[in-house]
Amino acid sequence: EPEVTQTPSHQVTQMGQEVILRCVPISNHLYFYWYRQILGQKVEFLVSFYNNEISEKSEIFDDQFSVERPDGSNFTLKIRSTKLEDSAMYFCASRGEVNNQPQHFGDGTRLSIL
Amino acid sequence: AQSVTQPDIHITVSEGASLELRCNYSYGATPYLFWYVQSPGQGLQLLLKYFSGDTLVQGIKGFEAEFKRSQSSFNLRKPSVHWSDAAEYFCAVGLYNQGGKLIFGQGTELSVKP
Repeated sequence: EPEVTQTPSHQVTQMGQEVILRCVPISNHLYFYWYRQILGQKVEFLVSFYNNEISEKSEIFDDQFSVERPDGSNFTLKIRSTKLEDSAMYFCASRGEVNNQPQHFGDGTRLSIL
Repeated sequence: AQSVTQPDIHITVSEGASLELRCNYSYGATPYLFWYVQSPGQGLQLLLKYFSGDTLVQGIKGFEAEFKRSQSSFNLRKPSVHWSDAAEYFCAVGLYNQGGKLIFGQGTELSVKP
């Protein structure tokens, strides 16, 4: 069964540094998402992406965050200047175009900010 | 505002016993509802989904869930729990008029006693 893949599985970064989290969604999917899960808390929506543009973003997704689909397969989340509170598990998800298709999640990238 | 509530943070059941995990949602329209499971260090795996039609839905690993509109609930059940079911379970509502983002509950951690 096709999978969403995320790299790296764990990223350790100094506060203030830029970080890029990478995702390869399922190949025929058209909607892409990023979520995060701070340790011990619920999974929170960050951003959705469709047709090469952001379709919705949450309050968390401020100017420090950006997403990009640089080619036909990758979907990236960039945090420009990381803060301690950005430490979390970041999940990428994708789904097909039909509304009754569920989102498929990757295994996540654990981001640790020092 | 849309929300999902999972009242039980942690549940412990004996192996072979039945299980019910509670989920209540708040959403103005007909919801798309999901249950996901997360094993330690893993991503979110879809257990089952409800979009419309039969209010009792079957999922993988012997799980089922029942949508009750009058109670705004979507409780997850399993008749006989196995030790491998120990994990964190998340209920989510899909907002398909808002780019398809998922709103998650806080999660219920399931422990299984031998």
